[in-house]
Parts: sequence; structure tokens; C-alpha cells
Amino acid sequence: AQSVTQLDSQVPVFEEAPVELRCNYSSSVSVYLFWYVQYPNQGLQLLLKYLSGSTLVKGINGFEAEFNKSQTSFHLRKPSVHISDTAEYFCAVSDQYNNAGNMLTFGGGTRLMVKP
Amino acid sequence: DTAVSQTPKYLVTQMGNDKSIKCEQNLGHDTMYWYKQDSKKFLKIMFSYNNKELIINETVPNRFSPKSPDKAHLNLHINSLELGDSAVYFCASSQAGKTQYFGPGTRLLVL
Repeated sequence: AQSVTQLDSQVPVFEEAPVELRCNYSSSVSVYLFWYVQYPNQGLQLLLKYLSGSTLVKGINGFEAEFNKSQTSFHLRKPSVHISDTAEYFCAVSDQYNNAGNMLTFGGGTRLMVKP
Repeated sequence: DTAVSQTPKYLVTQMGNDKSIKCEQNLGHDTMYWYKQDSKKFLKIMFSYNNKELIINETVPNRFSPKSPDKAHLNLHINSLELGDSAVYFCASSQAGKTQYFGPGTRLLVL
């Protein structure tokens, strides 16, 4: 079984400040890792993903994340946030070996609140 | 040319009714999924389905059933709706079990 923990339920930050949203996972097998963003009353949009290769992954809207296998973490970062980044962010994992239909296991979400 | 679409966007109904939510993907993907997002924003998988296999999350009541008329569609049928079924339901699809792309969601309210 897999689990995902997003350590912060809310992260308030001022505009143009850097931000890090933390994600830790637990799994007995190798995983794929994802970050999704959900704007108010909208669906989930893929920000970035780690499938293999370089552990530093760049995504849309200036976000990046680093896969750390030894610490089982996949923290999301942005060097300078905008008001428009205010949203709910979800970290998710799926099994690389197609067990359980590659269903995603999500963390509880982190609400990023960017203040002017 | 929306990649993953769902209808309806909003659904308000009475307890005890039966309802369906439709999902279509035009990405040519081989696997489709249904997720439930509760009032606290928590997302949980309900089903994973491709043309070979249906995998059901064991916590899903058997009042919920996925129906796939073809590879591009996976509809969700719910019998005897209960208050606790109120949530946002998301459809998703992927190819070869990798990146999942989500639909816009269906907001279900059971009165």
C-alpha cells in the first residue's frame, strides 16, 4: 500500500517570495510522482511529473520539484510566486509496475495563499 | 477539443434516486479512472478500468458501478443515492499507466 503526506495544509506567502510545498510518500515499490494544481471550482491540472531520469523536474508556471529517493520526498518549489498561483496543490504517487491499475494515491492537499 | 470531458457539470438530486455521470476522452488512452473528492478536498480513487481489467477500490459501495460502452468512455452509475455521496467526481485517463489527465469534475449534491 502507498501513502502520501503533505506536511502543510496551508501555506501563506507574500507575492514574489519563494515557496516550498512539502510532500513525502511511503511505498514498498518504485513509484511515479506527480504534482497537480486545482484552482477554485476547477479540475486538476498537471504541474509536473517524475517518471525516471533526472531527479530535478521542471513543470509549468515556473514550478519545479526534486525527487529524493533516500528521503522519499518530492517537494515542490517556486522561486517567486504570483497572486495567480493561489490554489490547492496535490502531490500524488502511482505504482510503476502497473499493480492496482496505476491508480493515483493523493496527499491531503496544500492550500497556497499568495498575499499582495 | 477538450481532452477529458464530463457531463453534467452540476447534478442536484434527491436521496434514493439513481443517476449517471458521463466521461469521454479523446486522447486515445487505454485506461480510465473515477475519483471522488470530498468536502475537505481529499481525493480518493474509486475505479481503474481498461479493456482488460476493472479494478475497484474496496471501500467503494456496490451502489457505484462503472460502465464502459467503448474505449473512449467510462460512465459512472450510482444507485440509491445517499447524502454522503455528495462530492465532486473526477474522471481521468492515461496511457500505459503513466500520466493521468483529469476532466473538469461533476459536482453532485444529494438532498
